[in-house]
Amino acid sequence: EDQVTQSPEALRLQEGESSSLNCSYTVSGLRGLFWYRQDPGKGPEFLFTLYSAGEEKEKERLKATLTKKESFLHITAPKPEDSATYLCAVQGGAAGNKLTFGGGTRVLVKP
Amino acid sequence: KAGVTQTPRYLIKTRGQQVTLSCSPISGHRSVSWYQQTPGQGLQFLFEYFSETQRNKGNFPGRFSGRQFSNSRSEMNVSTLELGDSALYLCASRKQGATDTQYFGPGTRLTVL
Repeated sequence: EDQVTQSPEALRLQEGESSSLNCSYTVSGLRGLFWYRQDPGKGPEFLFTLYSAGEEKEKERLKATLTKKESFLHITAPKPEDSATYLCAVQGGAAGNKLTFGGGTRVLVKP
Repeated sequence: KAGVTQTPRYLIKTRGQQVTLSCSPISGHRSVSWYQQTPGQGLQFLFEYFSETQRNKGNFPGRFSGRQFSNSRSEMNVSTLELGDSALYLCASRKQGATDTQYFGPGTRLTVL
């Protein structure tokens, strides 16, 4: 069974203080690892898809990387509007097209 | 391009009742998946539909069911509601490829009293 663990559960940052979120996974035949951002009361908003170890993707202040066992979401010089819950999910080869999600990391960026 | 839409956005029901939630996928997307999100369990997969056929099902009781129409719109139904069914129900659509990204709607907040 696919499993995803995210750490830390919560992160408080000062504006401009860079940090990294971790997503560890076990999956039978990784077909894709996905990062989403979720604001309170809203649906998850797609950020990145990573398919193979060594892959990196960037978008504004966010950069996602992937190894064979984990993925990192780096937030560089965050702003208060980066405050959200960041969700990591995997799609495994044995589980059809379903996404298995981690518990998320709640990020609060204070001005 | 319009995103995934879900109706209604909020619902309040009592135990024992049944409820139907609706999802309209992004235009051109043929696959619709449903997820339940609760504070204790996080996001959990309910089922996926593609071309009006259920492709995959999560570990939920038979009270949870769904269907997809020829225009790719989908509905999910929960019968005999329990207090523990209170959750945010999210619908996600993707084009059709195995590794296509799933895009989520805003969700339906269901409260069972």
